[in-house]
Amino acid sequence: EAQVTQNPRYLITVTGKKLTVTCSQNMNHEYMSWYRQDPGLGLRQIYYSMNVEVTDKGDVPEGYKVSRKEKRNFPLILESPSPNQTSLYFCASSLSGTSISQQYFGPGTRLTVT
Amino acid sequence: GQSLEQPSEVTAVEGAIVQINCTYQTSGFYGLSWYQQHDGGAPTFLSYNALDGLEETGRFSSFLSRSDSYGYLLLQELQMKDSASYFCARMDSSYKLIFGSGTRLLVRP
Repeated sequence: EAQVTQNPRYLITVTGKKLTVTCSQNMNHEYMSWYRQDPGLGLRQIYYSMNVEVTDKGDVPEGYKVSRKEKRNFPLILESPSPNQTSLYFCASSLSGTSISQQYFGPGTRLTVT
Repeated sequence: GQSLEQPSEVTAVEGAIVQINCTYQTSGFYGLSWYQQHDGGAPTFLSYNALDGLEETGRFSSFLSRSDSYGYLLLQELQMKDSASYFCARMDSSYKLIFGSGTRLLVRP
């Protein structure tokens, strides 16, 4: 089954404790992206990747890191999480950078930072 | 969401037709997508308009007018399962998909 998977689905952590949210897709997609969703603000892009070893900042990259060492994986790293990073996070992928109009989303990761 | 405006809530009756409007900023605009998101779920793609006009996919249609910087999603023969949030999103020339804040649709019996 074609899908985007994220782990963990739920995470409660404390301020400053480094964490990684994994994202993997099995569709051989070139483009991958991370979004955060907060009430009333829609989805805001954190980082995106056009292909392996090619990443770029989205609209809200502060406090986040990403890497794209393999085509299928695009982990999101929070080096020192803070309470304002409490949010619902979605990973998404599309066939290429020219087809980002149609993205496939993972199930989401709900992160709480205390 | 930055640069897109859509109503925050819409209510309609089962079996009716509802239109969700979206206006957007034109800078770097390529096209307009629509996504559906049920509570607790992930956004799922509905449609995309790159050119002016109407795109129809079953009960859902999407319209774009580039000259008016405006689009809409039309849902016909509403069903209870259509209760969800609907997001317009503009495809940007810098390989970004920028989402609106979403419209919460409530379908009543």
